[in-house]
Amino acid sequence: EAGVTQFPSHSVIEKGQTVTLRCDPISGHDNLYWYRRVMGKEIKFLLHFVKESKQDESGMPNNRFLAERTGGTYSTLKVQPAELEDSGVYFCASSRDRAEKLFFGSGTQLSVL
Amino acid sequence: AQSVSQHNHHVILSEAASLELGCNYSYGGTVNLFWYVQYPGQHLQLLLKYFSGDPLVKGIKGFEAEFIKSKFSFNLRKPSVQWSDTAEYFCAVIFSGGYNKLIFGAGTRLAVHP
Repeated sequence: EAGVTQFPSHSVIEKGQTVTLRCDPISGHDNLYWYRRVMGKEIKFLLHFVKESKQDESGMPNNRFLAERTGGTYSTLKVQPAELEDSGVYFCASSRDRAEKLFFGSGTQLSVL
Repeated sequence: AQSVSQHNHHVILSEAASLELGCNYSYGGTVNLFWYVQYPGQHLQLLLKYFSGDPLVKGIKGFEAEFIKSKFSFNLRKPSVQWSDTAEYFCAVIFSGGYNKLIFGAGTRLAVHP
């Protein structure tokens, strides 16, 4: 069974540019989560999809962040325009039913210069 | 606010030493508790979890954790660490009414020296 796939693994962009991160969950997993870890701090929840619907987006920092999940399959997280404080590792996770059994991707390291 | 605290940010041990990593959480309601581990260059993996029943939970690779409800704690232990345990460890909680999402602590980076 393929795991959760994220790409790119690293992205270096300049302040003001746009970046799109992608997450491919495990096939059949309706639940997809995005998390972010800023340097040395806790892994913070961003949002939760159930299929293509946003179940909870309470963790999205501001309207520069836009998440989509096309047809309930892969998801993208776009940051536009990127700011310095957006730097960090963005994790994606998926589960078949509930958060008790999450499978994580390896993360995307985003550096905004 | 619902939160998870991990007391030690960095721990350095020699092989065969005993390990205990602290984790406390806010809130007095029902919780589901987890420890995740991230080995260098790898993704987060589940070490162990507690939902109910025996408060002493055994996980993979010889790790265990004890849920102490009165202290809102879920400390991770291992009697004898190995060099291969070098990793970052995260405590995480699902709070009742927490809308089906994990809340993580800041992580503890463990370095084990031979």
